Amino acid sequence: RKEVEQDPGPFNVPEGATVAFNCTYSNSASQSFFWYRQDCRKEPKLLMSVYSSGNEDGRFTAQLNRASQYISLLIRDSKLSDSATYLCVVALNDMRFGAGTRLTVKP
Amino acid sequence: EPEVTQTPSHQVTQMGQEVILRCVPISNHLYFYWYRQILGQKVEFLVSFYNNEISEKSEIFDDQFSVERPDGSNFTLKIRSTKLEDSAMYFCASSGQGKNTEAFFGQGTRLTVV
Repeated sequence: RKEVEQDPGPFNVPEGATVAFNCTYSNSASQSFFWYRQDCRKEPKLLMSVYSSGNEDGRFTAQLNRASQYISLLIRDSKLSDSATYLCVVALNDMRFGAGTRLTVKP
Repeated sequence: EPEVTQTPSHQVTQMGQEVILRCVPISNHLYFYWYRQILGQKVEFLVSFYNNEISEKSEIFDDQFSVERPDGSNFTLKIRSTKLEDSAMYFCASSGQGKNTEAFFGQGTRLTVV
């Protein structure tokens, strides 16, 4: 089983759509969880940390289920500028990245 | 806003040569990392560095690689005897609050080995 596994994508959605990404991780001792976004040929940028109670930042909502070792990201009212690759990141002693899910938001 | 800076942005080197990639982490950060991303593939952890020593390293980080913090601001990755398969984007990152807290990435150095 991969350390961090994400939906393969790609996701192609119209503007205004709601889209959800899922991620599972293999190491139950993992301590911290994040979503990063990466634009083409750019560095990963932190989108949000993920907390056990779930957290929201504007149109973005992240959820963590430690029992199922599952993380999710929900994007509401998607914008053209949301087009990017979304990276699930799990940390124990270092940060391990999923392969990413490509999102394209179309007019 | 503080940021991680990396130089050069693009490095072309001949196979077998040594390269040094440079990074200036965010000034009050204590944890430093190198990652690489081969074109079209995922971001892969190489090494983490804290308190002037390596704290974790991946199976990729073999004897060909070394890291150094030669002064109070720079953090370098040296790759000896480069191979074609070392061609990748190399990202430096730093975090301020602990090894499991969010890390901030530099813009990367694209290494091309020819």
